[in-house]
Amino acid sequence: QSALTQPASVSGSPGQSITISCTGTSSDVGRYNYVSWYQQYPGKAPKLVIHDVNTRPSGVSNRFSGSKSGNTASLTISGLQAEDEADYYCSSYRSSRIFVFGTGTKVTVL
Amino acid sequence: QVQLVHSGAEVKKSGASVKVSCKASGYTFTGYHVHWVRQAPGLGLEWMGVINSRGDSTTYAQRFQGRVTMTRDTSTSTVYMELSSLRSEDTAFYYCARESPGMYQFDSWGQGTLVTVSS
Repeated sequence: QSALTQPASVSGSPGQSITISCTGTSSDVGRYNYVSWYQQYPGKAPKLVIHDVNTRPSGVSNRFSGSKSGNTASLTISGLQAEDEADYYCSSYRSSRIFVFGTGTKVTVL
Repeated sequence: QVQLVHSGAEVKKSGASVKVSCKASGYTFTGYHVHWVRQAPGLGLEWMGVINSRGDSTTYAQRFQGRVTMTRDTSTSTVYMELSSLRSEDTAFYYCARESPGMYQFDSWGQGTLVTVSS
């Protein structure tokens, strides 16, 4: 059960927009709209920032948005801020109650 | 508020077993599935499996089948994850995370338990 593929790192300057990709297969990302994204600070537990491809939970900044095309999902952070510097992981449902995470992306604010 | 509180750090020898607990509060315990996710130091998240809201069904990631057992105790609102035949590669933080049935997302997480396996 291989992980979803994410870039190891993405960086941007304050105020810019960045996009993190998450590539799976037709058995997970491409088949279900159950892609979620998690933000994780060092030494902390992950936090849900996007679910169902493009839905923000209550309390999450509207600078976070999600999308999907084919087997690839994306997380976009607009108006990048210093507090956005963290690791980000995608996750997808894969059928029969199986889930899979992405390899993770370190976001650096320059 | 929703809280998932883990048991303390563990140090185990290779070949031993470990049982980690996750105590829930602030919500209806029997209304949510609970997943376990682990993270080796400096590495990414790895989904291990899930126990359903009623506690009568589990699904495990293929690589852990035969070594992992997830259970839950409604009387104490606690979920357990036991991993056997430990090896050094099992050294990791182990997190519990809840899922509302049919929502396919992990909306609250515990703080994690560090399990260290030494030879």
